[in-house]
Amino acid sequence: GEEVAQTPKHLVRGEGQKAKLYCAPIKGHSYVFWYQQVLKNEFKFLISFQNENVFDETGMPKERFSAKCLPNSPCSLEIQATKLEDSAVYFCASSQSREIYEQYFGPGTRLTVT
Amino acid sequence: DQQVKQNSPSLSVQEGRISILNCDYTNSMFDYFLWYKKYPAEGPTFLISISSIKDKNEDGRFTVFLNKSAKHLSLHIVPSQPGDSAVYFCAADRNTDKLIFGTGTRLQVFP
Repeated sequence: GEEVAQTPKHLVRGEGQKAKLYCAPIKGHSYVFWYQQVLKNEFKFLISFQNENVFDETGMPKERFSAKCLPNSPCSLEIQATKLEDSAVYFCASSQSREIYEQYFGPGTRLTVT
Repeated sequence: DQQVKQNSPSLSVQEGRISILNCDYTNSMFDYFLWYKKYPAEGPTFLISISSIKDKNEDGRFTVFLNKSAKHLSLHIVPSQPGDSAVYFCAADRNTDKLIFGTGTRLQVFP
């Protein structure tokens, strides 16, 4: 598609439950990024993919967070055993290649952990 | 450690006037800078970018200036329009592909 698509728009989970978020990058874009916006104006990088390969996972809390980008499927970000502090808006972005720095963002998934 | 800083949380400008949004950074290894605009409940929208080898880039009403020696960049919007009212984020990249964002400046353009 011409835009980054993210589903669901909103997700509510009880503490300890699993949460799974999905992202479809722009068609033809090789790179996918996940960012977490906890406080209103702070973006934290989580992980990036080059096609289906993890490119940079330095921002991922590895104990409970995992992510995948499989061929012919939306990318996913999964949080096992959610905690209250995981409540945030999770943005996915895609870019065409390493030589093109501009990243295009999806509308985000708002995760609320109660 | 905040590597990209936007020290003005908000800015109010009259329609038709110039809006100037500022951004400072600390890491001299950053080689590319971007500005994003964000409306509530939406994702950031890419506006304009600049490579570290340039000092100015212009696109319509938007111009970005980069001062490498001062580690400072600014976004100029002229003339400002009410539809420009949003939160503006400065972001930087050092060839690692992950963007480092500032904390944003809320721009309000009033009639």
